[in-house]
Amino acid sequence: NAGVTQTPKFQVLKTGQSMTLQCAQDMNHNSMYWYRQDPGMGLRLIYYSASEGTTDKGEVPNGYNVSRLNKREFSLRLESAAPSQTSVYFCASSGGGLKYFGPGTRLLVL
Amino acid sequence: KNEVEQSPQNLTAQEGEFITINCSYSVGISALHWLQQHPGGGIVSLFMLSSGKKKHGRLIATINIQEKHSSLHITASHPRDSAVYICAVPYGGSQGNLIFGKGTKLSVKP
Repeated sequence: NAGVTQTPKFQVLKTGQSMTLQCAQDMNHNSMYWYRQDPGMGLRLIYYSASEGTTDKGEVPNGYNVSRLNKREFSLRLESAAPSQTSVYFCASSGGGLKYFGPGTRLLVL
Repeated sequence: KNEVEQSPQNLTAQEGEFITINCSYSVGISALHWLQQHPGGGIVSLFMLSSGKKKHGRLIATINIQEKHSSLHITASHPRDSAVYICAVPYGGSQGNLIFGKGTKLSVKP
């Protein structure tokens, strides 16, 4: 089992560019999440998907969109990147009450 | 919205010492999570507990639901325990969505 995988690991964007962060899990979990982690702050929920075909906003959804492509995959899209979106992004899934995190994507927006 | 406070923010210990990290939250919950973030950035779920105590190896987590407080203890600490320990509680009425504390950075010196 690979667990939760994320691509890319690192990305540099210019302001206004778009990109999609990919996430996949092979644990047959229904729930998947996207978080961002900034220095001095706890992880914050961007969007989540309780099951295939559903998505909901979290604490900080502005500037992001998501797609739950199927049960395995949950992608996060930045349509027009801004420097404030410089962060480390984590995808997670949950099963049995525990969270399983991907390795993270470090995004720098110039 | 639930508020999560962790203490201390930073902790330095000598190898072999007994470690205690504290977590307090403001709104009643049914379960609390402890996670570990490695120096490389990876995040691992340690515990989810709703009452009493759970033990895994040298890690012990306790929770007092009435006092809205949880502690994470590490016995016989080792340099490989050096990490950020994060407490999290449910958010928005959903058990799957979590509000995270800012973390306690633990450094264990040999």
